[in-house]
Amino acid sequence: QITLKESGLTLVKPTQTLTLTCTFSGFSFTTSGVGVGWIRQPPGKALEWLALIYWNDDKRYSPSLKSRLTITKDTYQNQVVLTMTNLDPVDTATYYCAHRRAYSYAQLDHWGQGILVTVSS
Amino acid sequence: EIVLTQSPDTLSLSPGERATLSCRASQSVSSSYLAWYQQKPGQAPRLLIYAASIRATGIPDRFSGSGSGTDFTLTISRLEPEDFAVYYCQQYGSSPMYTFGQGTKLEIK
Repeated sequence: QITLKESGLTLVKPTQTLTLTCTFSGFSFTTSGVGVGWIRQPPGKALEWLALIYWNDDKRYSPSLKSRLTITKDTYQNQVVLTMTNLDPVDTATYYCAHRRAYSYAQLDHWGQGILVTVSS
Repeated sequence: EIVLTQSPDTLSLSPGERATLSCRASQSVSSSYLAWYQQKPGQAPRLLIYAASIRATGIPDRFSGSGSGTDFTLTISRLEPEDFAVYYCQQYGSSPMYTFGQGTKLEIK
C-alpha cells in the first residue's frame, strides 16, 4: 500500500524560503523508473505541477518556477524535499506530493493529503 | 506549452443522469499521456483514468475516457451522489512535464 505525507511549516513570511518534506511508504527509489512529484493548488484554483524527481536523481522543474525550486531525495529515508525561495503571498496554496509509477503512462496514481502553506507577514 | 481547456466550467446534473466532460488541448497530445482526476472538497485529487481510457485501480466502470489528438472526454454513465466533485484533465509532455486543465465542477441540480 502506497502512502505519502507532506510536512513542513504552514505559515511563512514573504521573501522567506519554504522547505517541504514528502515522506512515503509502499515503494522505494531503489526501484527503477519510480518518481515523486510536487503539485500545488491555490485556494479555489486549479492544480499546478512544480517539480518531479526520478529514482536515478533526474530532476524536472516547471519552467515558470525553475529558478526558485530545488527538489532532492533521500533514498534511504524514503523522503523527497522541495525548497522554494523568495516566497510571495501568491504562493499560498495546498502543496501535494504524488507518486509516479515506474515505466507507466506518467500518471500520478497516489497523492499525499496535502499541506496548506500560507504566505503572510 | 500545451494548454488544456476544460468545458463546461460547471455542469449541473441529477443523480442517475449521464455526464460528459470535455478536455481540449491547444496542440496534439499523445493518448498515452492524458489522465483524469477527481477531487472532492478538502481532499487530494484521485486518479480516475490514464492513457485516455484506462481506468485506475478500484474505479467503477461507470467512468470511461475517450478521445485522441486534441479532444478528450470523460463520461460518467449514471451519476451517483458521490460523483459530484471537481474533475481535472492532465497531460504529460516535455516542458512543462505536467499540465492540468482548469477543472470542471460537477454539481447536483
